[in-house]
Amino acid sequence: GAVVSQHPSWVICKSGTSVKIECRSLDFQATTMFWYRQFPKQSLMLMATSNEGSKATYEQGVEKDKFLINHASLTLSTLTVTSAHPEDSSFYICSAREGTADEQYFGPGTRLTVT
Amino acid sequence: GDSVTQMEGPVTLSEEAFLTINCTYTATGYPSLFWYVQYPGEGLQLLLKATKADDKGSNKGFEATYRKETTSFHLEKGSVQVSDSAVYFCALRVTGGGNKLTFGTGTQLKVEL
Repeated sequence: GAVVSQHPSWVICKSGTSVKIECRSLDFQATTMFWYRQFPKQSLMLMATSNEGSKATYEQGVEKDKFLINHASLTLSTLTVTSAHPEDSSFYICSAREGTADEQYFGPGTRLTVT
Repeated sequence: GDSVTQMEGPVTLSEEAFLTINCTYTATGYPSLFWYVQYPGEGLQLLLKATKADDKGSNKGFEATYRKETTSFHLEKGSVQVSDSAVYFCALRVTGGGNKLTFGTGTQLKVEL
């Protein structure tokens, strides 16, 4: 089946720094990618949707200047958490969809800890 | 707004036991319903889905029936195995919602010998 990878799988950064998370579709063209955030014992919350070559569409309450999303190619999307703070510590998950296909394929997630 | 409520875990069962994980939803319109499974260290995988009332989704021995009258989509399996140990997420997608999924909090299942 379709595979989506994320890198890194976990990262620790200091408060005030920026960190970039990559999401790659390994065997299909990801026309649309989704970024989710998950807090412990809570559901996945959609942060934004990005289409290749277009600006991302952010969900209400998500700061687009803080969570920069780039979807420059059909196999790669990046999420950059700028000026990270401890409250940004979370589990970030991406998913990808090919064309108008019904199914999304999920990456394994990235654990971000901001100290 | 749209929401999904599923039973809290963790759920611990002996091998060959019967499994039920409850899921209820609130949505405008008529959503499609999904169960995803996440094995340790892996991404969420679609387990089964149902797109309209009374549909039954099934896969790998798991079943769930779309019950409009009770707004539920409970996951069941007649005989669980150790390999079924994972986190299970119930989710919905509203038609016209741009493929946006709304998830429940996930239920961890642990199956012991």
